[in-house]
Amino acid sequence: RKEVEQDPGPFNVPEGATVAFNCTYSNSASQSFFWYRQDCRKEPKLLMSVYSSGNEDGRFTAQLNRASQYISLLIRDSKLSDSATYLCVGGSDGQNFVFGPGTRLSVLP
Amino acid sequence: ETGVTQTPRHLVMGMTNKKSLKCEQHLGHNAMYWYKQSAKKPLELMFVYNFKEQTENNSVPSRFSPECPNSSHLFLHLHTLQPEDSALYLCASSQEAVLGQGTGNTIYFGEGSWLTVV
Repeated sequence: RKEVEQDPGPFNVPEGATVAFNCTYSNSASQSFFWYRQDCRKEPKLLMSVYSSGNEDGRFTAQLNRASQYISLLIRDSKLSDSATYLCVGGSDGQNFVFGPGTRLSVLP
Repeated sequence: ETGVTQTPRHLVMGMTNKKSLKCEQHLGHNAMYWYKQSAKKPLELMFVYNFKEQTENNSVPSRFSPECPNSSHLFLHLHTLQPEDSALYLCASSQEAVLGQGTGNTIYFGEGSWLTVV
């Protein structure tokens, strides 16, 4: 089983919609999680860290569910500019960053 | 703008050529990485350097040879590559090489070098 798994999508949603992605991880000792955003033909960029209690940054909310070993990213009021691939990253102490394969989002006008 | 710069941004090379990719980070980080990203494939970790020492070689063929002269610079020397090596090569850096709870340690990427092997 891969360490970090994501639904590749694509998720096609209309502008203004709310969309959520999940990312599952296999290492129960994983402690640090992040969401990255990668635009087409660009490098991944940090979107937000994921904290145990969940955290919000504007229209973006990240949650961690340790019991089921997944993290989620919720995007409210989707904008056209949100179209990108979203990569989750996880890992435990002493472990290298482990990237998921990414979920592609297309926000349609 | 990015704290991690890569050159060249685009490279076309023949299978018998020798070329190098260069990466420099201006973030004061101690760890640097090379990743490969092929079309429609996830990021593949190639090499990790921590305080100039290689800590991971992810079963990368010897035609890829990394070099880390100091914590701010990282090279990837390329020799006798194959067409299937054509990909986006991403350099990255982080404060530390491994994750640690609550440290906020995260990874920052350069803009990448697009490599085409013909």
